[in-house]
Amino acid sequence: AQSVTQLDSQVPVFEEAPVELRCNYSSSVSVYLFWYVQYPNQGLQLLLKYLSGSTLVKGINGFEAEFNKSQTSFHLRKPSVHISDTAEYFCAVTLSSNDYKLSFGAGTTVTVRA
Amino acid sequence: EPEVTQTPSHQVTQMGQEVILRCVPISNHLYFYWYRQILGQKVEFLVSFYNNEISEKSEIFDDQFSVERPDGSNFTLKIRSTKLEDSAMYFCASSEWRNSPLHFGNGTRLTVT
Repeated sequence: AQSVTQLDSQVPVFEEAPVELRCNYSSSVSVYLFWYVQYPNQGLQLLLKYLSGSTLVKGINGFEAEFNKSQTSFHLRKPSVHISDTAEYFCAVTLSSNDYKLSFGAGTTVTVRA
Repeated sequence: EPEVTQTPSHQVTQMGQEVILRCVPISNHLYFYWYRQILGQKVEFLVSFYNNEISEKSEIFDDQFSVERPDGSNFTLKIRSTKLEDSAMYFCASSEWRNSPLHFGNGTRLTVT
């Protein structure tokens, strides 16, 4: 079975600074990878996804992630954050042969300060 | 942009009572899901539903749980006899095809007292 580890539970960052959220997964077969964001009192919104092809994936709101198969990682990055990026971020994985039974990481809370 | 809607946003119930959580998936989507997140824990898969039947369920989804698509728009999760440990945020999701990304609703926070 696949699993996901998000290495940082809390990431405080100053406005306009870069941020990287780490995600590692374990699976013996090929996977699809996702990052979701949850703003306060809202649902889970898809930020970006990796299904195949280019390992550098660009998403909404200026976020990008890089799939590294050898390191089984899918770290999320943004070069310059805004106050509005304050949210909880979830990495998720599903077996590429599956019908999207997602396994989620524990989440990383990003708090952006002025 | 179309979205998944869930009602109610918060439900409080007493232990042993039945609850029904309601979801309206995006209208042209064919696959439906329920996930839950117990406070402080990971978001967990409960069940997936396609073509009017369960396609996969987790070990959490025991006989106390059931899902139904009673009409062309609603997708419900019923918990027959709630337990304290059922307290969680329940998320409904839908996807257009088997391999297309999931769209989640805002969730229903269930509190069992």
